[in-house]
Amino acid sequence: DAGVIQSPRHEVTEMGQEVTLRCKPISGHNSLFWYRQTMMRGLELLIYFNNNVPIDDSGMPEDRFSAKMPNASFSTLKIQPSEPRDSAVYFCASSPPSVMRGEIRGTQYFGPGTRLTVL
Amino acid sequence: AQSVAQPEDQVNVAEGNPLTVKCTYSVSGNPYLFWYVQYPNRGLQFLLKYITGDNLVKGSYGFEAEFNKSQTSFHLKKPSALVSDSALYFCAVRDIRGSGGYQKVTFGTGTKLQVIP
Repeated sequence: DAGVIQSPRHEVTEMGQEVTLRCKPISGHNSLFWYRQTMMRGLELLIYFNNNVPIDDSGMPEDRFSAKMPNASFSTLKIQPSEPRDSAVYFCASSPPSVMRGEIRGTQYFGPGTRLTVL
Repeated sequence: AQSVAQPEDQVNVAEGNPLTVKCTYSVSGNPYLFWYVQYPNRGLQFLLKYITGDNLVKGSYGFEAEFNKSQTSFHLKKPSALVSDSALYFCAVRDIRGSGGYQKVTFGTGTKLQVIP
């Protein structure tokens, strides 16, 4: 398996523009997480999906952020409008179901991240 | 509520010496505990986990961690540090009683390990 795939790897945009980050989880995984990492705040969980349904979005900073998971193999995180304080590395991670043979229960597999810079 | 604390922002150790990265946790029930490593410009990678059984857990790259229930700790250790071990290390906890398949894992703030040649 190719692992968790994120695109783009780098994004530079201007304040006020819409930004869409994409994630393809590992096939067979049923949980998907979006995280944001900054020097100041460390690693923050933004939203968690289980079986394509948002379970916990308490970490989403404000209404400018939205996330969707239309099917088991794709998720998006959208920021509209973007602001300079949104600059960060955004990670997507997926996790297998507990009964998946050979998997380690609760382990999350992280993508390489998208480095977002909002000017 | 569950939480995890990594009291040291940075740990410096000489190559060849043993290393310890500290972690303490708090959960309502029994914990699942994890260590992840992050190399520069990369995502987090799973190192090892404790779910049940032996208190000493062995993981990737020669790392191990000791679960201590009375001290609510899960310190990461390695007998002999390598320069290539220099990275950011995250401890994480999940309450074993997560309901409905909820797998929320709480990560610590990370500890930067610097191995000096």
